[in-house]
Amino acid sequence: EAGVVQSPRYKIIEKKQPVAFWCNPISGHNTLYWYLQNLGQGPELLIRYENEEAVDDSQLPKDRFSAERLKGVDSTLKIQPAELGDSAVYLCASSSATSADTQYFGPGTRLTVL
Amino acid sequence: DQQVKQNSPSLSVQEGRISILNCDYTNSMFDYFLWYKKYPAEGPTFLISISSIKDKNEDGRFTVFLNKSAKHLSLHIVPSQPGDSAVYFCAASFSGTYKYIFGTGTRLKVLA
Repeated sequence: EAGVVQSPRYKIIEKKQPVAFWCNPISGHNTLYWYLQNLGQGPELLIRYENEEAVDDSQLPKDRFSAERLKGVDSTLKIQPAELGDSAVYLCASSSATSADTQYFGPGTRLTVL
Repeated sequence: DQQVKQNSPSLSVQEGRISILNCDYTNSMFDYFLWYKKYPAEGPTFLISISSIKDKNEDGRFTVFLNKSAKHLSLHIVPSQPGDSAVYFCAASFSGTYKYIFGTGTRLKVLA
């Protein structure tokens, strides 16, 4: 079974530029999560999708961050414009309806904002 | 306020010995706990979990202990192997909410 796929793996941009991250969850997993992980910290939830519906986006900074999950499969997370403090690893995870308490993570996208 | 704490940023253990990683939490309403392992440049990998109705869960070399009165859980790895060298995160959640609160991680180094 293929795991959670994320791209790109690394991204370097200048501040004020836009950036987008893509995630393909494990096949059949209806729940998708985006996390932010700062250096030396644990992952922090940004947004959770149940199929195509964002059911928890309370931690998403909506002034510059947006996300979508069209057709309830792949998802993109966008930052516009990026700030220096956005440098971090952005992790995508998914879980299935039958094992909803266990989340499976992708390798993450390491963003560096210069 | 850090609801889940891993107070030891790093731990070194000899191969073959026991590794004990600790995690404390502040919210007594958490009822589901997990441990994840993370290698460099990879995402966290699920290791083992425990529900608050249990005080122990075992899976091969890995055992998680939960002490609800102390709001403390620990992960035991016996015997430790060099391949276990990674960063270990504990996470807590309210079962059914699917919202994990992660600790800051403990870097385990198993020395050959």
